[in-house]
Amino acid sequence: EAGVAQSPRYKIIEKRQSVAFWCNPISGHATLYWYQQILGQGPKLLIQFQNNGVVDDSQLPKDRFSAERLKGVDSTLKIQPAKLEDSAVYLCASSLVGQLNTEAFFGQGTRLTVV
Amino acid sequence: GENVEQHPSTLSVQEGDSAVIKCTYSDSASNYFPWYKQELGKGPQLIIDIRSNVGEKKDQRIAVTLNKTAKHFSLHITETQPEDSAVYFCAAVLSGGYQKVTFGTGTKLQVIP
Repeated sequence: EAGVAQSPRYKIIEKRQSVAFWCNPISGHATLYWYQQILGQGPKLLIQFQNNGVVDDSQLPKDRFSAERLKGVDSTLKIQPAKLEDSAVYLCASSLVGQLNTEAFFGQGTRLTVV
Repeated sequence: GENVEQHPSTLSVQEGDSAVIKCTYSDSASNYFPWYKQELGKGPQLIIDIRSNVGEKKDQRIAVTLNKTAKHFSLHITETQPEDSAVYFCAAVLSGGYQKVTFGTGTKLQVIP
């Protein structure tokens, strides 16, 4: 079974530039998560989709971050404009829906460095 | 919202010794507690989990205990091996209309050969 795919693996941009990350979840997984993991910290949820609808975006900095999940499959996360404090690993995860306590499968992440 | 605290932040053990990582959570409605292992350059991977109706679960060298009254849960690794070296995260999950997952801050485990 193919895992969660993310691209790019690494990205270096200057502050105030924009950047986009892509995620392809495991086939059949209706729930998709985007996490931000700052060095030395645990993953922090940015946004959670169930199919193509948003169920939680309470911690997403909406003035600069946006995400979409077209057709309930792939998802993109965008930052515009980027700030130095956005330097982190951005993790995408997916899980089944309709069952209690389902495992979330993570991609390898995209390491963003803002200079 | 849920708050998960994890201790210690770093842990060094000799190969063959045991390692224990502890977490506390704040929301008594959380009902699922997974543990993830994250190796360098990789995403977190589930290693064991426990549901709120169970007090203890074991899988070979790994065990997890849950005390709902005290709202804390622990990961126990016995007979540690160098390949156990990684960052470990606990999480508390609240299941309602959708799953809400809150992670701890992580423990960097180093197993010294």
